[in-house]
Amino acid sequence: EVQLVESGGGLVQPGGSLRLSCAASEFTVSSNYMSWVRQAPGKELEWVSIIYSGGSTYYADSVKGRFTISRDNSRNTLYLQMNSLRAEDTAVYYCARGSGDYGDLNAFDIWGQGTMVTVSS
Amino acid sequence: IQLTQSPSSLSASVGDRVTITCRASQGISSSLAWYQQKPGKAPKLLIYAASTLQSGVPSRFSGSASGTDFTLTISSLQPEDFATYYCQQLNSYPLTFGQGTRLEIK
Repeated sequence: EVQLVESGGGLVQPGGSLRLSCAASEFTVSSNYMSWVRQAPGKELEWVSIIYSGGSTYYADSVKGRFTISRDNSRNTLYLQMNSLRAEDTAVYYCARGSGDYGDLNAFDIWGQGTMVTVSS
Repeated sequence: IQLTQSPSSLSASVGDRVTITCRASQGISSSLAWYQQKPGKAPKLLIYAASTLQSGVPSRFSGSASGTDFTLTISSLQPEDFATYYCQQLNSYPLTFGQGTRLEIK
């Protein structure tokens, strides 16, 4: 079954760091667009970051310089390294696979179940 | 690019026809997707490229576009359709989502 499973969430103090993982099954992470999307409690979805198959990366302004997206091809796993965490980073973090034709990104077609990150002292 | 969904919430009955609108603050071609999210669950892709139905999604869901206005239509509401719906633009970075439309049972 094609699926994504996130892990690594938890409680962290402001200014701390956390690394999220997203393990993929039945498809290859490095051959696809892969992204992180978050959702603060009771709020709307917010795109965080994306990595292309070729390695290019993009970030939301709210996390640029603090978060880093990466992947481990041997483990078929996507990561999100989160540094200098703030209370406003508290959210459920989802990883998602991007789909598209002829190199265009059309949508996020596969989503993980999400992992909760709470930033609080 | 800002996406504004309307209405923010909607009450409807089983069997009703429902339309949700998403307006983009500038042109995004047809680079728009629609998602359904139920409480405590991940979003589910319904429509991509403004009007293409994702495989496995019931045909009562449809999408259309006119300029910077996009619509999601559910032709005959089923009990499992009560959820929150989001639009997303994938035309340019940063990618953005609408604020969501909560569809409730009347």
